[in-house]
Amino acid sequence: AQSVTQPDIHITVSEGASLELRCNYSYGATPYLFWYVQSPGQGLQLLLKYFSGDTLVQGIKGFEAEFKRSQSSFNLRKPSVHWSDAAEYFCAVGGVMEYGNKLVFGAGTILRVKS
Amino acid sequence: SQTIHQWPATLVQPVGSPLSLECTVEGTSNPNLYWYRQAAGRGLQLLFYSVGIGQISSEVPQNLSASRPQDRQFILSSKKLLLSDSGFYLCAWRPGTKNIQYFGAGTRLSVL
Repeated sequence: AQSVTQPDIHITVSEGASLELRCNYSYGATPYLFWYVQSPGQGLQLLLKYFSGDTLVQGIKGFEAEFKRSQSSFNLRKPSVHWSDAAEYFCAVGGVMEYGNKLVFGAGTILRVKS
Repeated sequence: SQTIHQWPATLVQPVGSPLSLECTVEGTSNPNLYWYRQAAGRGLQLLFYSVGIGQISSEVPQNLSASRPQDRQFILSSKKLLLSDSGFYLCAWRPGTKNIQYFGAGTRLSVL
């Protein structure tokens, strides 16, 4: 069965510091991978996605993620965090041939930014 | 451009009362539609999805039901709410040409 693990429930970083949020997935076929961000009380906004090709993908707001098939990982990174990046981040996996194109989400990582 | 609307934004309902949450998508046709529930610290749980009018797939047996009476309308319902139905409900849609889901702003449901 598909699953997504985000090992860190909370992460606190200083403004201006670099950030890496971890995501490991389990999927038996070719995966699609996503990172979404959610501000409190809001819906989810797509940050970036990986379908195929270059394993380093760029997203909005200066985020990037690297797909590593050998490690079943899709970690999210940002070189310099801004206070406005404080939010909850979700990694998700879907299937190329999945009926209904369902996504499986991780439990999320809450990012706190300290000044 | 495409937009997704969910309403209401916030709802407080007594135990045993009925529920109807509505989601509509504009600017597209034949989207896949999804209902998720989000509980604190537990990520998003897929409740229902629909690939077309009248076609509903349920992921988790529960006190809720879903319907798709029109191409771009997805409704989440309950005949009698339970305390455990409290949560944040999110609707999402996927265009037919891309495997990307786009989310509405959500409905905060409190059952008291």
